[in-house]
Amino acid sequence: NAGVMQNPRHLVRRRGQEARLRCSPMKGHSHVYWYRQLPEEGLKFMVYLQKENIIDESGMPKERFSAEFPKEGPSILRIQQVVRGDSAAYFCASSPLSTRKQGRGETQYFGPGTRLLVL
Amino acid sequence: GENVEQHPSTLSVQEGDSAVIKCTYSDSASNYFPWYKQELGKRPQLIIDIRSNVGEKKDQRIAVTLNKTAKHFSLHITETQPEDSAVYFCAATFGTASKLTFGTGTRLQVTL
Repeated sequence: NAGVMQNPRHLVRRRGQEARLRCSPMKGHSHVYWYRQLPEEGLKFMVYLQKENIIDESGMPKERFSAEFPKEGPSILRIQQVVRGDSAAYFCASSPLSTRKQGRGETQYFGPGTRLLVL
Repeated sequence: GENVEQHPSTLSVQEGDSAVIKCTYSDSASNYFPWYKQELGKRPQLIIDIRSNVGEKKDQRIAVTLNKTAKHFSLHITETQPEDSAVYFCAATFGTASKLTFGTGTRLQVTL
């Protein structure tokens, strides 16, 4: 059973370019979370998605950032017109189901991350 | 607001000693508290978690305790080994939200 997959593992972009980060959840998992980790800091939640649906985007910057999780294929985190402050490690996590209604929290398993460097 | 505080930020122990990391949370409705270990350049790896209906959970050398009244939970590592050296993050979910709010991390160094 393959774990959470992310690609690319490293991405270098110049200011103003676009960055696309991909995440494939664990087999049997239908919920994806994106977190950002700045150097020497903790992880900050960005967005939570189910297939074809954004559940919680309260951590996403209002501009330049978007995320999707289509019916087929990986989840994509897209950063337009990147700036140096976007340089960070972006981690994806997946869980098997949402227990939002019960509010009990489901175990999240993390991928290896994409390290974005903006020059 | 949703907040998790973690202490200490750095911790150095000798091999074989115990290490304790503490976290406090802001919302009494929090119900899920995982701990992650992150080695340099690697992914956060779940090492243990606890839910609000349990006060303590143990897995070999690792244990977590939860005090709901005081709104704090702690990670205990006994008989530490050099390979325990890493950054440890506590986290919590708040209310019905599934997202994790992380503490700021504790850098544990186990010396020979």
